[in-house]
Amino acid sequence: AQSVTQPDARVTVSEGASLQLRCKYSYSGTPYLFWYVQYPRQGLQLLLKYYSGDPVVQGVNGFEAEFSKSNSSFHLRKASVHWSDSAVYFCALSAFNSAGNKLTFGIGTRVLVRP
Amino acid sequence: EAAVTQSPRSKVAVTGGKVTLSCHQTNNHDYMYWYRQDTGHGLRLIHYSYVADSTEKGDIPDGYKASRPSQENFSLILELASLSQTAVYFCASSDGGGAGAEQFFGPGTRLTVL
Repeated sequence: AQSVTQPDARVTVSEGASLQLRCKYSYSGTPYLFWYVQYPRQGLQLLLKYYSGDPVVQGVNGFEAEFSKSNSSFHLRKASVHWSDSAVYFCALSAFNSAGNKLTFGIGTRVLVRP
Repeated sequence: EAAVTQSPRSKVAVTGGKVTLSCHQTNNHDYMYWYRQDTGHGLRLIHYSYVADSTEKGDIPDGYKASRPSQENFSLILELASLSQTAVYFCASSDGGGAGAEQFFGPGTRLTVL
């Protein structure tokens, strides 16, 4: 069975500060890993995804994530947050050869950026 | 611009009633999905489809039916709505079914069952 754990339900940061959101996964093979963002009253949007290669992957809006196979982690980072980064961030996993590309999501981390 | 739209955006239903949630995509994608989102849970897959007139069960299909009458449209049907089905429902589409395919999500439908 595959699972995704996001240990932080809420994170509050000041505008201009750095942000790190944690994600740990459980899967026996090498999964596809995603970070999605959900802005208020909107659907989810893809920030970035990773399968292989450079463990640091760049995404949109200055986000990046680092994959660690030894730690089964895929943490998301941003060097300097803006108030518009306030949203819910979801880490998700999809297993290779998964029928229908079923995504397994974490519970999400709600980020509040204070002015 | 390619998009996934859902209707209605919110709905209040009575227990035991029938509810139909609709999804329309202009992405020309073969795959479509229905998820539900509950507080304290991530999104969970209810049903999906990779071709018109065919649907597949996801991880939590009980109490739900799905219908894919065309490539563009995918409906989720609650024949006998229950309190436990109060949630936000998201529809998504993807170009392929491979594990790396990006899914494009609609804005969600907030369903309240009373």
